[in-house]
Amino acid sequence: DIQMTQSPSSLSASVGDRVTITCRASQGIRNDLAWYQQKPGKAPKRLIYAASSLQSGVPSRFSGGGSGTEFTLTITSLQPEDFATYYCLQYNSYTWAFGQGTKVEIK
Amino acid sequence: EVQLVESGGGLVQPGGSLRLSCAASGFTFSVYSMNWVRQAPGKGLEWVSYIYSGGSTIYYADSVKGRFTISRDNAKNSLYLQMNSLRAEDTAVYYCAREGALSVWGQGTMVTVSS
Repeated sequence: DIQMTQSPSSLSASVGDRVTITCRASQGIRNDLAWYQQKPGKAPKRLIYAASSLQSGVPSRFSGGGSGTEFTLTITSLQPEDFATYYCLQYNSYTWAFGQGTKVEIK
Repeated sequence: EVQLVESGGGLVQPGGSLRLSCAASGFTFSVYSMNWVRQAPGKGLEWVSYIYSGGSTIYYADSVKGRFTISRDNAKNSLYLQMNSLRAEDTAVYYCAREGALSVWGQGTMVTVSS
């Protein structure tokens, strides 16, 4: 099965900061990767699919990159509403796998 | 409006059974594959099961294989998860989500396995 390693597990940042989260796949997954944002008590919300395609309605300060085994989610100019937990998901193989999550906290 | 609404969660004893439902609306349910994803309290997301649009292809996570059964009724725009031989570690919020890339999620239903 494909495993996803997400880093860091948590980070502290200030409003206006640029933040980058990384996911590494244990084998190549082409660009079959999505990123989700989850706030406490809420369902996850998809931000990015196909590694770099922005979900409709998601602010352009969110961007995704990478292909194969290395992927990134970047938030330029962090906003107060962006403090949340972020997860990557690979959907390439017949067993989907999430990263462990990255909690973005206010510094 | 595209919407998924889960139901059927609750408190069940270890070894018991529960059937979750997911009602879809606002889109053509029959052309989309569907998934179940769960999240234990304070933990990350775990994919549980997948079913193709016509129901012909099904996959399970190893942690639930042989105990859980996914199914769908396209005439009723509904997805199901039959959960048998439940264990304490199955305690989680269960979400249904549309298609392989999990584009749309329901609000979740809580399943608690405890004596």
